[in-house]
Amino acid sequence: EIVMTQSPATLSVSPGEGATLSCRASQGISSNLAWYQQRPGQAPRLLIYGASTRATGIPARFSGSGSGTEFTLTISSLQSEDFAIYYCQQYNNWPRTFGQGTKVEIK
Amino acid sequence: EVQLLESGGGLVQPGGSLRLSCAASGFTFNNYGMSWVRLAPGKGLECVAAINGGGKTTLYADSVKGRFTISRDNSKNTLFLQMNSLRAEDTAVYYCAKRHGDYYAVYDYWGQGNLVTISS
Repeated sequence: EIVMTQSPATLSVSPGEGATLSCRASQGISSNLAWYQQRPGQAPRLLIYGASTRATGIPARFSGSGSGTEFTLTISSLQSEDFAIYYCQQYNNWPRTFGQGTKVEIK
Repeated sequence: EVQLLESGGGLVQPGGSLRLSCAASGFTFNNYGMSWVRLAPGKGLECVAAINGGGKTTLYADSVKGRFTISRDNSKNTLFLQMNSLRAEDTAVYYCAKRHGDYYAVYDYWGQGNLVTISS
């Protein structure tokens, strides 16, 4: 099973600032990496797939990069609705595995 | 508009059984793979089962293999998860999720989540 490790666990950011979230795979997964956002009490929302392709309707302030084992989600100029938990997911192998999440909180 | 409406969760004793349902609308159901993903307290998301559009191919996480069965009724646009021999560690919010397409095994639509609590 591929283990996905996200860092940091919690990120404190002021509104309007940028944020960089990291995700590492325990083995190479090419670009088979997705990012999701989960707000409290809501279902996860697909943000990015193919490591860097934004899903339908996702604002341009969200961008993804990386390949192999190291991946990054960047959020430029955080809005109030962006404070949430973010998960990465690999789909290179079954089982499809998620990271433990990074909580982006208001500083 | 794509909608996934789950039902069937609740409280059950260890060793018991439960069946979750997910009614889908707004897309051609039999064209898409579906999965059940759970979020346990204090843990991350876990994809426990997946099924292809035709219903012939299924995959399970080791944690549920032999206890859970994923199935679908394409005539009724409904996904199921039969959960047997339930354990305390199966306590979680269970989401049904629609696969984005054949190439990308990611999930572009999710149900609202259904709480399953295993406790005596």
